[in-house]
Amino acid sequence: GQSLEQPSEVTAVEGAIVQINCTYQTSGFYGLSWYQQHDGGAPTFLSYNALDGLEETGRFSSFLSRSDSYGYLLLQELQMKDSASYFCAVRDRGFQKLVFGTGTRLLVSP
Amino acid sequence: SQTIHQWPATLVQPVGSPLSLECTVEGTSNPNLYWYRQAAGRGLQLLFYSVGIGQISSEVPQNLSASRPQDRQFILSSKKLLLSDSGFYLCAWSPTGLSTEAFFGQGTRLTVV
Repeated sequence: GQSLEQPSEVTAVEGAIVQINCTYQTSGFYGLSWYQQHDGGAPTFLSYNALDGLEETGRFSSFLSRSDSYGYLLLQELQMKDSASYFCAVRDRGFQKLVFGTGTRLLVSP
Repeated sequence: SQTIHQWPATLVQPVGSPLSLECTVEGTSNPNLYWYRQAAGRGLQLLFYSVGIGQISSEVPQNLSASRPQDRQFILSSKKLLLSDSGFYLCAWSPTGLSTEAFFGQGTRLTVV
């Protein structure tokens, strides 16, 4: 089976930097992705790491270490609109099954 | 461009009633299709996924079922709803292959009373 663990909640202030961690256990690994979900809305794709290292997309960056089965999402210059839940996800079993982590609720305060 | 439609947006159903939620995808062919359920403030629980017409894999044994009668149509059903079936149901599609990018419908908020 698969399991992805994330902290349940993270708080930060506007303009700060925050890191959301994800540790995973999966049989077969084809990359780690991150999604953002605002309250009442649907998840939207943020980033994807297939190989070790850091991927940067604007204010958001994502890191992967396959040897440690670990990744993180880094959010810089936090804004109030970044308050949302963030999920890591892995594709497993021959690319077919997409499994999400437990989710991290980010609260950004003024 | 690809779009995904999911309906209805909200639904209130009595215990013991049937359920049918429909999801359709446009602008792509042979997508992987998924049904997830999310309890309030919780994560995304994978219920069913499908890699082709008539091919359904179930992740969680329960009183729900799924069908894929056409390539871009995915239906979630129940014959008799339970109170515990309440939640936010999300349909998603992803391209076949290595991409882990998935695209979600707007979700159905189901309340069983």
